[in-house]
Amino acid sequence: DAGVIQSPRHEVTEMGQEVTLRCKPISGHDYLFWYRQTMMRGLELLIYFNNNVPIDDSGMPEDRFSAKMPNASFSTLKIQPSEPRDSAVYFCASSSEREHRDEQFFGPGTRLTVL
Amino acid sequence: DQQVKQNSPSLSVQEGRISILNCDYTNSMFDYFLWYKKYPAEGPTFLISISSIKDKNEDGRFTVFLNKSAKHLSLHIVPSQPGDSAVYFCAAITLNSGNTPLVFGKGTRLSVIA
Repeated sequence: DAGVIQSPRHEVTEMGQEVTLRCKPISGHDYLFWYRQTMMRGLELLIYFNNNVPIDDSGMPEDRFSAKMPNASFSTLKIQPSEPRDSAVYFCASSSEREHRDEQFFGPGTRLTVL
Repeated sequence: DQQVKQNSPSLSVQEGRISILNCDYTNSMFDYFLWYKKYPAEGPTFLISISSIKDKNEDGRFTVFLNKSAKHLSLHIVPSQPGDSAVYFCAAITLNSGNTPLVFGKGTRLSVIA
């Protein structure tokens, strides 16, 4: 398996623009997590899905952030409009209920810079 | 309020010596603890874990110790190698509480000096 795939790896955009981050979880995994990593706050959970259904989105900073999982092999995290304070590395992770739900497999991350 | 705390943002250790990374937690319902390792430009990868029914788990050079009464765990790396230089995240979870996710600390950056 190729592991968790994220795209793009780097994104530079201007304030006010829409940003869409993409994730393909490991095949067969039924949990998908979106995290944001910053120096100040470390690794923050934004939202997670179980069987494509959002379970907890309490970590989403504000209404400018939205996430979808239309099927078991794809998820998006969208920021609209983007702001400079959204600059961070965004990770997607997946895990399997059958194996170890707690042992999450992370993608390589998307480094977002909002100018 | 942070439920999982890693109070040392960074640590430097000489190659061959022991590295000790510490983690404290506040939620007494946590019953499973994990350490993740992260290299630059990569996602975190699972390193080692421990259940609350144990007080020690060893895997090669890596040992995790759990002190439940103190709500404290530590990761020992012996001997430390330059390739161990990375950011280490402590994480905790309550396994039997349904869909609750992992709670991560902010991480400790370990530098192993040759």
